[in-house]
Amino acid sequence: GESVGLHLPTLSVQEGDNSIINCAYSNSASDYFIWYKQESGKGPQFIIDIRSNMDKRQGQRVTVLLNKTVKHLSLQIAATQPGDSAVYFCAENMYSGGGADGLTFGKGTHLIIQP
Amino acid sequence: KAGVTQTPRYLIKTRGQQVTLSCSPISGHRSVSWYQQTPGQGLQFLFEYFSETQRNKGNFPGRFSGRQFSNSRSEMNVSTLELGDSALYLCASSLDLASSGTGELFFGEGSRLTVL
Repeated sequence: GESVGLHLPTLSVQEGDNSIINCAYSNSASDYFIWYKQESGKGPQFIIDIRSNMDKRQGQRVTVLLNKTVKHLSLQIAATQPGDSAVYFCAENMYSGGGADGLTFGKGTHLIIQP
Repeated sequence: KAGVTQTPRYLIKTRGQQVTLSCSPISGHRSVSWYQQTPGQGLQFLFEYFSETQRNKGNFPGRFSGRQFSNSRSEMNVSTLELGDSALYLCASSLDLASSGTGELFFGEGSRLTVL
């Protein structure tokens, strides 16, 4: 079946370094992708999204890259801070064109920031 | 603006019982989605409601049901509970994409269900 997955379950980086979290998706018909951050004991929090007609989108300290050729999505976090420690999920839209209904989430990558 | 509120936060049930979870979306949000989160399966989509109608449904058995009220508040129900239903149930609200241009979901903190 269709799936969204992450390459690494855990990523450990030094505070101040840049982090790159990767995601592979299998549904070539997906046209909307979102990154979420989930801190312990909390619900997922929206970070950034990107539509399939774009290959890059930047936010505050974050950049999402989309490579539709190899169906790969990545989240880059610049100058990581202790508050960035969390589990990061990528998600793709599977039902409606460009909407956030019925998202398929990846398993998540646990980002650990080393002091 | 208040966030998404889910009640109860924690509950313990036994096999065979049923449970009802409640979700109050952000004011003005008409779309409410429910997700199940477990360590093994991750986040899985249950269903989505918009204007009191179920618009989308994930691959869960009929024991899982939901509804939405005219004030956009939503409930989900799980009947004949099984051990495997132990999970964090997350509710998320959003503006409808057509009106907002973004599909950003705002999640509540979840209801943690333990089935014994």
